[in-house]
Amino acid sequence: DTAVSQTPKYLVTQMGNDKSIKCEQNLGHDTMYWYKQDSKKFLKIMFSYNNKELIINETVPNRFSPKSPDKAHLNLHINSLELGDSAVYFCASSQETGGETQYFGPGTRLLVL
Amino acid sequence: KQEVTQIPAALSVPEGENLVLNCSFTDSAIYNLQWFRQDPGKGLTSLLLIQSSQREQTSGRLNASLDKSSGRSTLYIAASQPGDSATYLCAVWGWGANSKLTFGKGITLSVRP
Repeated sequence: DTAVSQTPKYLVTQMGNDKSIKCEQNLGHDTMYWYKQDSKKFLKIMFSYNNKELIINETVPNRFSPKSPDKAHLNLHINSLELGDSAVYFCASSQETGGETQYFGPGTRLLVL
Repeated sequence: KQEVTQIPAALSVPEGENLVLNCSFTDSAIYNLQWFRQDPGKGLTSLLLIQSSQREQTSGRLNASLDKSSGRSTLYIAASQPGDSATYLCAVWGWGANSKLTFGKGITLSVRP
C-alpha cells in the first residue's frame, strides 16, 4: 500500500492557469508538508500543517494556497502559474512536528509553458 | 540562518569500494540530522536519523556519524554496490516551535559495476 501518494504525477500547463496538486497519506500521521525541488535539485520547504492547522509558511507567494480538509490530506492550489513555478513538488508526512522521520510522496513534476 | 553543504556534488566509484559522503552545516544548534536517498524521478527515502545527543547510527551497510560542535556529518557506505547509485541528501532539523528540515543539495553517487 502506498504510504504517501500524490496526484497528478505530471502536470504540463500554460502560464496564467490555475492548478491543484493533491496529497494523501495513510500512515495516520498528524503532520504534512509541501516541498519544492527546483531545477538545481535544491529541496526547500513551503508549508507544513499539523492536525489541519498551518504551522510553517515559508515566505511562499500567496498564489500558492495549501488546504488541509482532514489530517490525511494536504492539497496545494496554485493560481496564475508562472514559468518559475516549474519544479517538482513533494508532499511528505511525519507523526508529529518534532523532527521525526518524514515520509515522502513520489513527487509531482510541474512544467509551466 | 542554517545552511547545509554537501561536497562534492557528484561521485563515481567502482563497485566494492567503501566510501564516505560528507555534510556540513553552519548552525550547530540542531535537534537532529537526517540522511535521505533519492532515486531518479522518485521521492526521498529516509536512511538514518541521528539525534543531536548521539554520535552515530547504523543500518546495514550504512553508518552515519555526527559531530555537532564542528557542524559535520558523514555517511559511510561499506562495500558499495551498483544499486547504491542515487542522490544522497543530508538535512538538519533545528530547535524551536516552527522548526523545519533544511536540506543540502545532495551528492549524486554512481557505483560502476
